[in-house]
Amino acid sequence: DIQMTQSPSSLSVSIGDRVTITCRASQSIGSYLNWYQQKPGKAPKLLMYAVSSLQNGVPSRFSGSGSGTDFTLTISSLQSEDFATYYCQHGYSAPFTFGPGTKVQIK
Amino acid sequence: QVQLQESGPGLVKPSQTLSLTCTVSGGSISSGSHYWSWMRQPAGKGLEWIGRFYGSGNTDYNPSLRSRVTISVDTSKTQFSLRLTSVTAADTAVYYCATNAADGAYFYYAMDVWGQGTTVTVSS
Repeated sequence: DIQMTQSPSSLSVSIGDRVTITCRASQSIGSYLNWYQQKPGKAPKLLMYAVSSLQNGVPSRFSGSGSGTDFTLTISSLQSEDFATYYCQHGYSAPFTFGPGTKVQIK
Repeated sequence: QVQLQESGPGLVKPSQTLSLTCTVSGGSISSGSHYWSWMRQPAGKGLEWIGRFYGSGNTDYNPSLRSRVTISVDTSKTQFSLRLTSVTAADTAVYYCATNAADGAYFYYAMDVWGQGTTVTVSS
């Protein structure tokens, strides 16, 4: 099974900050890497698939990069609605595991 | 626009079977371009992938649950279901159904449509 790790597990930031979240796979997954945002009490929302393809309606301040085993999600200028937990998930082969999540909190 | 809604008992006794249904609206459950998936999330914890149904009867399951889980599709009712046997307190979680609506999401197994989630508690 492919294991996914994320760092940091949480971070405290201010509005307007640049945020970078890292996701690592235990083996190469090519470009089969997706990112989700989840707010308390809500279902996850797909932000990005295939590393860097923005889902419809997702603001362009979100971007993704990486390939193989190392990936990043970047928020160029954090807005109030971006405080949430972010999960990576691989789509390479079953089981399609999620990372443990990164909680972005207000400083 | 495809929409999903989970339903089922909110309380299940230990050792019994958990059965949930996800009703699909706004799209065809018979389409070959969808994965019909289930995930769960214990309170305060991360997301766990349970499994998926696709094509004309194909399934993939999380090995940690494979001996206890079944995902099936009822095309006549436009529903897909999750069945988890021999439940314990460790199966207490919010359960989500999800699918992919966009072609790109399908190819990369990205779930762009989710139900709102249903809470299942395992307790006597």
